[in-house]
Amino acid sequence: NAGVTQTPKFRVLKTGQSMTLLCAQDMNHEYMYWYRQDPGMGLRLIHYSVGEGTTAKGEVPDGYNVSRLKKQNFLLGLESAAPSQTSVYFCASNRDSLGTEAFFGQGTRLTVV
Amino acid sequence: GDSVTQMEGPVTLSEEAFLTINCTYTATGYPSLFWYVQYPGEGLQLLLKATKADDKGSNKGFEATYRKETTSFHLEKGSVQVSDSAVYFCALSGRNYGQNFVFGPGTRLSVLP
Repeated sequence: NAGVTQTPKFRVLKTGQSMTLLCAQDMNHEYMYWYRQDPGMGLRLIHYSVGEGTTAKGEVPDGYNVSRLKKQNFLLGLESAAPSQTSVYFCASNRDSLGTEAFFGQGTRLTVV
Repeated sequence: GDSVTQMEGPVTLSEEAFLTINCTYTATGYPSLFWYVQYPGEGLQLLLKATKADDKGSNKGFEATYRKETTSFHLEKGSVQVSDSAVYFCALSGRNYGQNFVFGPGTRLSVLP
C-alpha cells in the first residue's frame, strides 16, 4: 500500500506564480487535510474535506484553494504565490469521524522567492 | 472547539534518562488520543494510540494512558536513546462531523549520547 502520496516533494516558485500540490490516498478515506508546518511551529490546518465534492476552511486558508473532485485526491492550489507561503506542506487522511487515526504524506517543501 | 495542549520544548535529555511529555486535551464526547512522531526531514508517523478511557497505548518502549478524569495522555519512556530525537505531537480525533483531527504544537526532544 502506498498510503498517502504527495507530489511534488520539492518546488521553488517565483512570487506571483501559481502551482498545485497533489495528495493521493489509496485507503478509501473520507477525510483529507492540508497542513503547513513552519520552522519551530506545529501544524496549522489550511483546508480539509469530509468527503468527495466537499471542502472547508481551516485555521489559515487565505491564499490557498482546494478541490476534492475524486475521493482519493485532494488538491491544494496557490493562485499567486507569496514568500510567506514558503513552508513544508503535509497532506493527511483518516477514515471517518469515529476517532480513527490519520495517515500522513511525506511532505512538500515549497520555497517562494 | 476541541484542543490539545502539550509541554513546550525543547526537551534535552541524556541517553538512558526517563522521558515524560505532558499532554492534556479539551473535547466534547469521547475522542481517540494519539502520539505522533516526526523525525528530521520526514512526515508524521503514528507512535501509539488509545481509543477509550484507561486504555494504554504502547510502542517502541513508549507508553501513554488515556486518563479521562484528568483529560490527559502523557507520553513516557523509561530509557531514551539518541535515535528517539524527534518532534512529538499529541493529537485527538473526535467523533463529530467536520474537522475532527486536532494536533498539539509539538515538543522537540533531543537526546545526547
